[in-house]
Formats: sequence, C-alpha cells, structure tokens
Amino acid sequence: ETGVTQTPRHLVMGMTNKKSLKCEQHLGHNAMYWYKQSAKKPLELMFVYNFKEQTENNSVPSRFSPECPNSSHLFLHLHTLQPEDSALYLCASSQEGNYGYTFGSGTRLTVV
Amino acid sequence: GEDVEQSLFLSVREGDSSVINCTYTDSSSTYLYWYKQEPGAGLQLLTYIFSNMDMKQDQRLTVLLNKKDKHLSLRIADTQTGDSAIYFCAEKITGGGNKLTFGTGTQLKVEL
Repeated sequence: ETGVTQTPRHLVMGMTNKKSLKCEQHLGHNAMYWYKQSAKKPLELMFVYNFKEQTENNSVPSRFSPECPNSSHLFLHLHTLQPEDSALYLCASSQEGNYGYTFGSGTRLTVV
Repeated sequence: GEDVEQSLFLSVREGDSSVINCTYTDSSSTYLYWYKQEPGAGLQLLTYIFSNMDMKQDQRLTVLLNKKDKHLSLRIADTQTGDSAIYFCAEKITGGGNKLTFGTGTQLKVEL
C-alpha cells in the first residue's frame, strides 16, 4: 500500500460509456495529479490540482473531465473515449518539499 | 524548456552492477529523483538527490550527479532479478512548484 489508492485497478469500457476513475490519499498532501502512461511513450501529465484548485491542464481533450472535491480525493470522469485513450492512468500526490510524488498503482483502462 | 532523456533499455547479468543514465536540460534543478516501476504497478520513489550534492549512497543504490554536464546516474550494485523494472529519473526545478518532469524511462532486464 503506497498511501495513494486508485480504483478500479482495471476498466474496460465501450466508446459510448461514461465511467469515473477514483484516487484517494490520506497522506496530508496538498497537490494531486493525473498522468497517462501509454506503451512506448513518456509519462504524460494531464492535470494538476493544488489545494483543490486546478492549476494545470495540459491540453487534455474534453472527454476527460477531472474533479477534486477535497484535498484527499481526485476523480477523472470519462465519456465517449477513443481506443487510443487505452492506457495506464496514474494518480499521484505530493507535498511541498523534497519528497517527490507518491503514486497510486494505476487504473489499466481499455477502450473497446 | 524542460527535457529529460534516458536510454530505453539495459540488460545485465544477475550479480553485476547496473548503471542507468539520465540527462536533463534545465540547469535550475533543485532535486532529482529516481523512481522504479514494476509491471502493472505505479511508480515507487527509490531515492533522490539535492542539486548541490554530487553523490548519494543508499545500500545497493548510488546516485551520481554531474551538474556541469547535467547528467544523473543510478548504479545498482549486485543486481538481482527483482530489480527488473522500468526506472524513471525526474527533476524538480526552481519556480516549478511541486511539478516534476519525468524522463522516458529505462527498462532494466536482469538475466540469470
């Protein structure tokens, strides 16, 4: 257990479905992140939240919609996805200082 | 801009030392990190080094930083099969808040 919990671990969805990914941390961190990891590609930063406020959106398509209701929870709402959106979606959290990020185990998403 | 690069693949024999290299372009790095990702899992922080240090040792891990050449390396002594994973370097830069820039990852394969 890393301190950052992501659910579900695996998700298969059709292109017309709506689903949500959940991330939870009880480390007292004030920043949370969504990353996309595709095969043979670098980690892609999608969204950054600091103290519940979105501070970065890296030109992510609107079919991905983040939500951060409080500093401990982060969601990624998915709708009308494409097969190329299939990837491992990683959540991370951090606190000010030198400790880097704490990552969750990821959600393996397959869009069919 | 920020750019962090790593070679994609490294293969070593069990018991040998592994050296994973990383180069970065932003000279205002404050901290540099090494993360390990095992199959199907998130990234796990292995170690980090402050930018005014040139070496840090932690059991089998040795981090070397050449700030002049913007080169970071991770040496794993007595490499074991359990060390097989993808290794990511990452940098935190001055004025970047908590944001980390990750390298492309190096796949380490340990052979018997």
